[in-house]
Amino acid sequence: EAGVAQSPRYKIIEKRQSVAFWCNPISGHATLYWYQQILGQGPKLLIQFQNNGVVDDSQLPKDRFSAERLKGVDSTLKIQPAKLEDSAVYLCASSLGLGQGQYFGPGTRLTVT
Amino acid sequence: AQSVTQPDIHITVSEGASLELRCNYSYGATPYLFWYVQSPGQGLQLLLKYFSGDTLVQGIKGFEAEFKRSQSSFNLRKPSVHWSDAAEYFCAVNDMRFGAGTRLTVKP
Repeated sequence: EAGVAQSPRYKIIEKRQSVAFWCNPISGHATLYWYQQILGQGPKLLIQFQNNGVVDDSQLPKDRFSAERLKGVDSTLKIQPAKLEDSAVYLCASSLGLGQGQYFGPGTRLTVT
Repeated sequence: AQSVTQPDIHITVSEGASLELRCNYSYGATPYLFWYVQSPGQGLQLLLKYFSGDTLVQGIKGFEAEFKRSQSSFNLRKPSVHWSDAAEYFCAVNDMRFGAGTRLTVKP
């Protein structure tokens, strides 16, 4: 069974530029999550999708971050414009449902200079 | 509000010694509780989960955790640590709130 795929694995951009991350969850997993993990901290939930609907985006900085999950499968997370404090690893995870545990992708390491 | 506290930022144990990592949570009802491990350069991997039933749950790699409602705790244990267990360990509640993590160092 293929795991959660993410791309790119690494990205370096200058502040005020835009960037997009892509995630392909495990087949059949209805729930998809995006997390931000700053060095030395635990993952912080940005947004949770159930199929293609948003369940929780309370911690998503909506003035600069956006996410979509078209057709309830792949998802894209975008930052526009990026700030220095957005430097972090962006993790995508998928799950069969609440309480089932999450399967994480390898993450995208973003560096904003 | 949901929150997770992992009181120990860093723990060092000798190989072969026992291990206990602490996790305390705050939630109004019975939560779903999880432990994940993040090895250097690796993604997060689910070790075990709890929602109901037996309060002692077994996970992968020889880990177990015990849910104690009275203490709002879900501590992770392993009887004998191996060098390959060196990693960052995260406790999570309800799939979405993670603790800050405990870094485990294993001495030879």
